[in-house]
Amino acid sequence: QVQLVESGGGVVQPGRSLRLSCAASGFTFSSSTMHWVRQAPGKGLEWVAVILFDGSNKYYPDSVKGRFTISRDNSKNTLYLQVNSLRPEDTAVYYCARSPIEADVFYFDYWGQGTLVTVSS
Amino acid sequence: SYVLTQPPSVSEAPGKTARITCGGNNIGTKSVHWYQQKPGQAPVLVIYYDSDRPSGIPERFSGSNSGNTATLTISRVEAGDEADYYCQVWDTSSDHHVVFGGGTKLTVL
Repeated sequence: QVQLVESGGGVVQPGRSLRLSCAASGFTFSSSTMHWVRQAPGKGLEWVAVILFDGSNKYYPDSVKGRFTISRDNSKNTLYLQVNSLRPEDTAVYYCARSPIEADVFYFDYWGQGTLVTVSS
Repeated sequence: SYVLTQPPSVSEAPGKTARITCGGNNIGTKSVHWYQQKPGQAPVLVIYYDSDRPSGIPERFSGSNSGNTATLTISRVEAGDEADYYCQVWDTSSDHHVVFGGGTKLTVL
């Protein structure tokens, strides 16, 4: 069955960096478009990055562009999110999510359980 | 950038029909997807491409999309349906951005 397991979250000081990972299993990772979505405490969902199946294209919202970098290692079935210059407003649960291979639009059929990032001094 | 507007809360009694709206400019020209999220859990896809249901989602969940409003309808509401619901589209006009609505808290009375 499809599994997405995030790791790498924790408490980090403002201005520091963190790398989040998402280990995928149960499907052909190298054929799948993957995303990161975050949720601040008590708030709604916010999409933060997408990477196409082969890593050829990546897109970000303006709120994180230039600070966040999405990447993948298809040989390890792992998705990454490098988050730099962290701000208190980046405090959130970060989910990785998959878009169906056959979809012609971006939506999410599987989600991980999330990893919590807390930015605080 | 594209904006999706949802009511913050909807309440309905068990056995009745709950409708959650998602407003957006000409949203009827886009594909809308809906997610259910219970406290402490990851979101779950309940409707995709406006009205399709993933396997395992009860037939009580349905969706429609026309004009400036998409609607998630939950028939015969049960206590277990109490959750936050989010609509989502892919906005190709703004560099392939994914957009979520602000979410609607469904309370089962």
